[in-house]
Amino acid sequence: DGGITQSPKYLFRKEGQNVTLSCEQNLNHDAMYWYRQDPGQGLRLIYYSQIVNDFQKGDIAEGYSVSREKKESFPLTVTSAQKNPTAFYLCASSISGSQPQHFGDGTRLSIL
Amino acid sequence: GQQLNQSPQSMFIQEGEDVSMNCTSSSIFNTWLWYKQEPGEGPVLLIALYKAGELTSNGRLTAQFGITRKDSFLNISASIPSDVGIYFCAGRSGGSNYKLTFGKGTLLTVNP
Repeated sequence: DGGITQSPKYLFRKEGQNVTLSCEQNLNHDAMYWYRQDPGQGLRLIYYSQIVNDFQKGDIAEGYSVSREKKESFPLTVTSAQKNPTAFYLCASSISGSQPQHFGDGTRLSIL
Repeated sequence: GQQLNQSPQSMFIQEGEDVSMNCTSSSIFNTWLWYKQEPGEGPVLLIALYKAGELTSNGRLTAQFGITRKDSFLNISASIPSDVGIYFCAGRSGGSNYKLTFGKGTLLTVNP
């Protein structure tokens, strides 16, 4: 099946630890995105990438890092600098930046 | 920055009733998108609108791109229990701006 796969579904982070969330797509989409969702809030953009080896900061990039070494993959690292990491993280992709975005099923990150 | 006001925040309706929700923006958008999110899952694209005044249907769902380009509406006719979820609007200002701005969502509950 074609789609966007996020893993793991649930993730726990200890104090001072970096954790990496995986996002893989087999839709041949050029653009990929990471969002953070908090209860009762809309989605807020963390990072986005229009093409391989290029990415841009979104509205809340502090404490996060990404890489885009392959078209299919856009991993997100939540660093220890992110003081409030507990949230639902959503990855999305689109054919190009101007086309509608399609989402994975998310990773829920919690603090131990 | 751009802001989207989505209303109502929540709705409790009886099965068979029609539903209306809307989003208004402080600035002009060139694209409006409507998504539905169920618990523990990612948002699913329902309808995409690209032209002011455009009216588009997807089954029992109908969405309109407001003529001022600052608002959009989503209607659901003859609601059923599986319509339960959070409905998000999202807008894009266009040009080289690929970022989507999301509303905070409308939580829909349908009583059978």
